[in-house]
Amino acid sequence: EVQLLESGGGLVQPGESLRLTCVGSGYTFGHDAMSWVRQAPGKGLEWVSGISYSGSSAWYADSVRGRFTISRDNFKNTLFLQMNSLRVEDTAIYYCAKAEGLVAAAAAWGQGTVVTVSS
Amino acid sequence: QSVLTQPPSVSEAPNQRVTISCSGSSSNIGNNAVNWYQQLPRKAPKLLISYNDVLTSGVPDRFSGSKSGTSASLAISGLQSEDEADYYCATWDDSLNGVVFGGGTKLTVL
Repeated sequence: EVQLLESGGGLVQPGESLRLTCVGSGYTFGHDAMSWVRQAPGKGLEWVSGISYSGSSAWYADSVRGRFTISRDNFKNTLFLQMNSLRVEDTAIYYCAKAEGLVAAAAAWGQGTVVTVSS
Repeated sequence: QSVLTQPPSVSEAPNQRVTISCSGSSSNIGNNAVNWYQQLPRKAPKLLISYNDVLTSGVPDRFSGSKSGTSASLAISGLQSEDEADYYCATWDDSLNGVVFGGGTKLTVL
């Protein structure tokens, strides 16, 4: 069974940083692209960033480009999201998701980790 | 304002059929496959349909997807109370070089 487990969320002040981690198990982690998707309180889904299976390609939403960095360690079955210069509007549940072929086809999701940015 | 446009809400009686639309442009739906997600309250999203019309294993065949031009649709037949959820379309956008989601549609089974 595919499992994704996020961690690293928390309460930070505007301008601070956080690093999210997602550990995958139950499948060959290095075979699939991965994404981070967030959901602000009471709002819809917003794709944040994606990374190819090898880590050689990364893509970002305009709202986070230049502030967030996605990376992965396939030897440790781990996906990362380094979030710098956090803003109040970054407050959300952050999900990691495993692609099924297409980056936009996320076949497995973690339970999410909550990030709150507030002064 | 989402790149993909969905109706905010739809409602229908049990055992009836409902469709949810997703409208985009040539840079997203017009040139890429559409995927549909179901999100039950307080749960992570679940992939229902990928590649426009491919049903995810384990998803009832009451769910179906289609695409024509720059629009796509999710149809649910034989509505059941457990289908009450938020539904999202998603695809790749060639201009934005990233994934775009619709704003989501809340389905109410009357």
